Amino acid sequence: EVQLVESGGGLVQPGGSLRLSCAASGFTFSSYWMSWVRQAPGKGLEWVANIKQDGSAKYYVESLKGRFTISRDNAKKSLYLQINSLRAEDTAVYYCATNYNYYMDVWGRGTTVTVSS
Amino acid sequence: QSVLTQPPSVSGAPGQRVTISCTGGSSNIGAGFDVHWYQQLPGTAPKLLIYVNNNRPSGVPDRFSASKSGTSASLAIGGLQAEDEADYYCQSYDSSLSGSVFGGGTKLTVL
Repeated sequence: EVQLVESGGGLVQPGGSLRLSCAASGFTFSSYWMSWVRQAPGKGLEWVANIKQDGSAKYYVESLKGRFTISRDNAKKSLYLQINSLRAEDTAVYYCATNYNYYMDVWGRGTTVTVSS
Repeated sequence: QSVLTQPPSVSGAPGQRVTISCTGGSSNIGAGFDVHWYQQLPGTAPKLLIYVNNNRPSGVPDRFSASKSGTSASLAIGGLQAEDEADYYCQSYDSSLSGSVFGGGTKLTVL
């Protein structure tokens, strides 16, 4: 079964950092671009970043560049998102998803990040 | 504000047909980039509904169809069922932003 499982979310104070993880199984992880997408409470979907199969290319939504870093470990079949200098507006459910021809065909269930003092 | 514009809500009675529009611009849909659609049932993760303009993944009923023309796209849902009540999002690629963009989402209510 193709599966993505996110982890690493939680409650963090403003200015703090978090590293989100996404564990893949049931498919050849190293063959896919991967993306992070987030959804603030009661809001729509926002694409955050994506990364090429070998990690050699990374793209970010302009507004988050500098604070967010996407990475992957193909040997561990894992995707990561490092988030620094967290702000209240980063509060959201963060989803990882496989990327194929610019669309996201498999999604995880998400991990919730809450930024609050 | 989202780069792709969708109506906030649509509604229809069971059995009816509804359409959801998605309007973009010259750097995304109008530039020829494909449009994809996602369904998000309440409390769940998004699910790919339509890819590359009008292709359905395995398991998606043929009641769901989509089209694209110019700078816009639309999703049609025929034979509405109560289980179709969800949020629907369009998505494309934007060359000026060098990344994917989503519509703001449309909440479908089945009356």
